[in-house]
This record gives sequence, C-alpha cells and structure tokens, in this order.
Amino acid sequence: QKEVEQDPGPLSVPEGAIVSLNCTYSNSAFQYFMWYRQYSRKGPELLMYTYSSGNKEDGRFTAQVDKSSKYISLFIRDSQPSDSATYLCAMCSGAGSYQLTFGKGTKLSVIP
Amino acid sequence: DAGITQSPRHKVTETGTPVTLRCHQTENHRYMYWYRQDPGHGLRLIHYSYGVKDTDKGEVSDGYSVSRSKTEDFLLTLESATSSQTSVYFCAISEWTRFYEQYFGPGTRLTVT
Repeated sequence: QKEVEQDPGPLSVPEGAIVSLNCTYSNSAFQYFMWYRQYSRKGPELLMYTYSSGNKEDGRFTAQVDKSSKYISLFIRDSQPSDSATYLCAMCSGAGSYQLTFGKGTKLSVIP
Repeated sequence: DAGITQSPRHKVTETGTPVTLRCHQTENHRYMYWYRQDPGHGLRLIHYSYGVKDTDKGEVSDGYSVSRSKTEDFLLTLESATSSQTSVYFCAISEWTRFYEQYFGPGTRLTVT
C-alpha cells in the first residue's frame, strides 16, 4: 500500500460547481498536510497547509484533515476555469523528518 | 514567484553521458530539494540539502549525486544518464523553520535517448 493515495481523475466539472478533492494516507506520524496546485508545464505552487486535524479556509478554498480516518480533503467553491490544473496533496511528519510525501495528483478541468 | 531558477530548462542527451542540472535561489533559504516527476509516480524526492555541504538521500537517489557549495546553488548530477532518468526535474526550497512550505522552480525537462 502506498503511503499516500490520490485518485488521479481526470475530474471534469461545470463552472460554479463545488469541487471535492481527496487523499488517504497510511502513516499515522504525518502531522503536516499540504495542497499544491500545478498548471500544465509549470512547477507546483503551495495552496494551503494544515497542521494536525481540523479545517482551514482561504477564500474559495477549504482544507480539511481527519486524522482519525487518515483522510484529507480540499474543497473549491464556485469553481472557475482558472482552477483547471492538477492538484497534489503532500504530507510530512516533521519532528526531524523534512521529506514530503506526495500523492500522484488529481487533474481537474472546470468547463465554462 | 519565489526566486528560483533552473538551468537548463530543456535538455536532450545520450545514454551514458554525464548531465548536471543547476538550481539557483535568491531567497537565502536553508533547505533545497531535487524531485523528479513522472506519469504514474507523481513527485519523488531524489536528494535534499539542509545547508552548505550538507546533503542527504531521498526516495530515488540511485544514479544521482548532488553538491551544494554555496547557499544559493544546488547541483544535481547524473553520472551516466540512462533512459529511465528521462523525466521532469524540479528544484524546491524552504526555510528551515517552515520545511513543509516548499516553493518549486519551473522545472527541467530531460530526455535521455
């Protein structure tokens, strides 16, 4: 079993829809949870990070972490065509380990 | 954008030749990383550095070496390139207190024929 599982999609939604992106993980030591967005032929850019469990909101984006279920989510409200990209989840434990473990990414298309 | 540049941006080379990729940062961040990204595998860490001359291996380090003689530069060397090393290579940086916030460069597309 991979440490981090992420459905690669592709996921296609109409403009204005609510998008839900998810990752599951197996390593209970993970404490930091990140979401990156990657446009085609560009480097990933950090969208949000969350420490431990809970929710975090930033504009149209909400990140949720459920450590009891080892499940994280990213919600995008009022999706826009400019949100079309690949979304990568990433995790690390901290505490002396500085390596991020990435999911394979979910490709999202928002159709006008 | 964080001040990270990678060179070259594209390279085609032949099997068996040595290749060096360069990452340059202007942010004075302590940590620097090299990743490769392949379809079906996602981003995988090759090597990372936590200071000048301080480096460590990542998940897929076989066939790669790195060097960091200055804070701003991190070099990735393929001693003898193989076709399996055809990939997109990304450099990333982070502050040592916020290692979980990594900022990525634009990538180098390497093809080994």
